[in-house]
Amino acid sequence: EAQVTQNPRYLITVTGKKLTVTCSQNMNHEYMSWYRQDPGLGLRQIYYSMNVEVTDKGDVPEGYKVSRKEKRNFPLILESPSPNQTSLYFCASSSNKGYYGYTFGSGTRLTVV
Amino acid sequence: RKEVEQDPGPFNVPEGATVAFNCTYSNSASQSFFWYRQDCRKEPKLLMSVYSSGNEDGRFTAQLNRASQYISLLIRDSKLSDSATYLCVVPGTGYALNFGKGTSLLVTP
Repeated sequence: EAQVTQNPRYLITVTGKKLTVTCSQNMNHEYMSWYRQDPGLGLRQIYYSMNVEVTDKGDVPEGYKVSRKEKRNFPLILESPSPNQTSLYFCASSSNKGYYGYTFGSGTRLTVV
Repeated sequence: RKEVEQDPGPFNVPEGATVAFNCTYSNSASQSFFWYRQDCRKEPKLLMSVYSSGNEDGRFTAQLNRASQYISLLIRDSKLSDSATYLCVVPGTGYALNFGKGTSLLVTP
């Protein structure tokens, strides 16, 4: 089944404790992206990757890192999480410059206390 | 002007009603347009893609007006299961995606 897999689905952590949210797709998509969704603000892009070893900042990159060492994986790293990073995170992937749409992972609900 | 704008609603309609959502966008170069459905705190799922003037799939019809730069989504014979948030999505340059903030629909018995 074609899908984008995120892990974990839920995570509660403490301020400053490094964490990684994984994202993997099995559709050989060249494009992958991370979004966060907050009430009243909609979906905002954090980072994106056009292909292996090619990443760039989105609209809200502060406090996040990403890497794209393999085509299928695009982990999101929070080196020192803070409470304002409490949010619902989605990974998405696409091909053909998104002409046929984007596939989203099932989301990661992160709480930083 | 914001990249993509939608009426946030909520739209409360009875079962069986017809409801329409509008979305305006600013990127006149966009070639594809999407409506996604999002259930509470779950991932957005592609509902319809629009590439030319419109698209129809069962009870759902999406129409595109390039001159006025808006897209609409019409839902006929609303079901309780249609209750969700509907996101208008318009690609920007390259792979960039511009999301509307969503229109909330509640279908009541």
